[in-house]
Amino acid sequence: DAGVIQSPRHEVTEMGQEVTLRCKPISGHDYLFWYRQTMMRGLELLIYFNNNVPIDDSGMPEDRFSAKMPNASFSTLKIQPSEPRDSAVYFCASSLNPTGGGGYGYTFGSGTRLTVV
Amino acid sequence: RKEVEQDPGPFNVPEGATVAFNCTYSNSASQSFFWYRQDCRKEPKLLMSVYSSGNEDGRFTAQLNRASQYISLLIRDSKLSDSATYLCVVLGMNTGFQKLVFGTGTRLLVSP
Repeated sequence: DAGVIQSPRHEVTEMGQEVTLRCKPISGHDYLFWYRQTMMRGLELLIYFNNNVPIDDSGMPEDRFSAKMPNASFSTLKIQPSEPRDSAVYFCASSLNPTGGGGYGYTFGSGTRLTVV
Repeated sequence: RKEVEQDPGPFNVPEGATVAFNCTYSNSASQSFFWYRQDCRKEPKLLMSVYSSGNEDGRFTAQLNRASQYISLLIRDSKLSDSATYLCVVLGMNTGFQKLVFGTGTRLLVSP
């Protein structure tokens, strides 16, 4: 299995532009998570999906952020308009269950390093 | 109070040393605990689960103290390759949904 695949690996954009991050979870994983990581706040959960349905979006910072999962193999996180404070590493992760139990945990993608200038 | 708290370090130790990290969590109802490892500019990866009775995986030992709400990770005979950030992770449920909550990590530097 190729693992969780994210694209792009790096994104540099100007303030005000729309940014779309992409994720392909591991086949068979019913749960998909979007996290944001910064030095100050660590890893923060933004939103997660179960069987393509958003379950908990309480971590989405504001209306500028939106996430979709049109099918079991693809998800997007969109920021519109982007701001410098959105600069962070965005990770997508997938799992068989939300508890990470059974010794499986969450499998993370390589992340997208976003810089908004 | 943060849901999961860790000493950010860095912990600087020589090769062969034994080092221990602690982590505290705020939700006494939490049921599952993990340690993840994150290398510089890489994604987090599951290191080990933490069980109530304590568990060991080679040079790594994890322990849980429910009464005091803390989790520990002990690394014996440190290797250069152990240099990384170690994330304490707790299963949280603060919005009514179960999900893993990550600490900000403890950085370990092992030197020759």
